[in-house]
Amino acid sequence: QTVVTQEPSFSVSPGGTVTLTCGLSSDSVSTSYYPSWYQQTPGQAPRTLIYSTNTRSSGVPDRFSGSILGNKAALTITGAQADDDSDYYCVLYMGSGILVFGGGTKLTVL
Amino acid sequence: QVQLQESGPGLVKPSETLSLTCTVSGGSISSYYWSWIRQPPGKGLEWIGYVYYSGSTKYNPSLKSRVTMSVDPSKNQFSLKLNSLTAADTAVYYCARSGYLYYGVDVWGQGTTVTVSS
Repeated sequence: QTVVTQEPSFSVSPGGTVTLTCGLSSDSVSTSYYPSWYQQTPGQAPRTLIYSTNTRSSGVPDRFSGSILGNKAALTITGAQADDDSDYYCVLYMGSGILVFGGGTKLTVL
Repeated sequence: QVQLQESGPGLVKPSETLSLTCTVSGGSISSYYWSWIRQPPGKGLEWIGYVYYSGSTKYNPSLKSRVTMSVDPSKNQFSLKLNSLTAADTAVYYCARSGYLYYGVDVWGQGTTVTVSS
């Protein structure tokens, strides 16, 4: 069974930069997996941040950026703000019409 | 802009079948992939599957034996049925849209809470 891995938690200081990653238990993540990223605050529906590795969704500030770093997908937040304190999920496309979510990263801004 | 609204029972008994509907407003159901995604309390998101506007489907292998999805273009709605419910199916259920499936979700519903309990 394919497992998409994310750091369970991360912290960043206001104004700082943080990079969250999204890996695979049995392969390297490449653009062929079309990684996408979502932000979720408690009690709210997720919000789409990034799709197809590095394309920002409409209205998403440019301090959010996506990339491939080594063998993982990455979400970088530059100049973290208090309202970035959220859960972040990545999704990988496994082919054959299958999407798999990562377990999520709880980001604390303090 | 396109909005999605889930509807269905908030409480279902174990062993019964859950039926949820998602109504699409502000846009057409045509030419998109329509997914269901769930989130158990305090846990992460899980993709359940999708139904394409043409009616073709794909399900998460871990749920495939219990899931049926369908679409009704005349009503701009799509639906989820999940049978043989257990407490582990208690979750917030989201409906969602994808333009190209591999791009992930671009529009989310607000979610509906489903509790499985006798």
